[in-house]
Amino acid sequence: SQKIEQNSEALNIQEGKTATLTCNYTNYSPAYLQWYRQDPGRGPVFLLLIRENEKEKRKERLKVTFDTTLKQSLFHITASQPADSATYLCALELDQAGTALIFGKGTTLSVSS
Amino acid sequence: KAGVTQTPRYLIKTRGQQVTLSCSPISGHRSVSWYQQTPGQGLQFLFEYFSETQRNKGNFPGRFSGRQFSNSRSEMNVSTLELGDSALYLCASSLGQGRTGANVLTFGAGSRLTVL
Repeated sequence: SQKIEQNSEALNIQEGKTATLTCNYTNYSPAYLQWYRQDPGRGPVFLLLIRENEKEKRKERLKVTFDTTLKQSLFHITASQPADSATYLCALELDQAGTALIFGKGTTLSVSS
Repeated sequence: KAGVTQTPRYLIKTRGQQVTLSCSPISGHRSVSWYQQTPGQGLQFLFEYFSETQRNKGNFPGRFSGRQFSNSRSEMNVSTLELGDSALYLCASSLGQGRTGANVLTFGAGSRLTVL
């Protein structure tokens, strides 16, 4: 079955630096990959989606890459701010029907000023 | 437009009891997914409903069940509660278009269940 791994449970960086989070997956090639942000006590919020034929996607200070050969996605936050502190989750389709998503366990980012 | 609404937000039950959680999706969204979130296991997929039919199911015991109504509202039920069922239960809605639409989820705030 599909498996997702987010390598780091926690990442601590200083304000202004670039945060890089990793998501690895196994077992088959998904059509797309998504990233969500979750704040304590709240549900996840969608951030970005990248399709298998896209190498890179950007949205303001966020950038996502998708390497289907390595079966890996990298999520970057440039010029990080304390307000970026949250848990970031990557998500893939459960199967090739693509009608349900499974999530990694997340990486908790802490940005200190 | 209104977001995904989950009720109740918090509840406390004892072992052996059952619980029903409710989810109202975004208007126009026909797919509702349920997830269990715990500190140790993260966000685990329970099931997904589309047009009143269960389309996908995760690896949870039969004590976990759900249903969807004709107005797309959904409920999930957990019977014979165990201590390990204590978790945040999240509901998410989407257009449910699968790979074509890339299935972006909008989550509710969750229902926090504590089993004593």
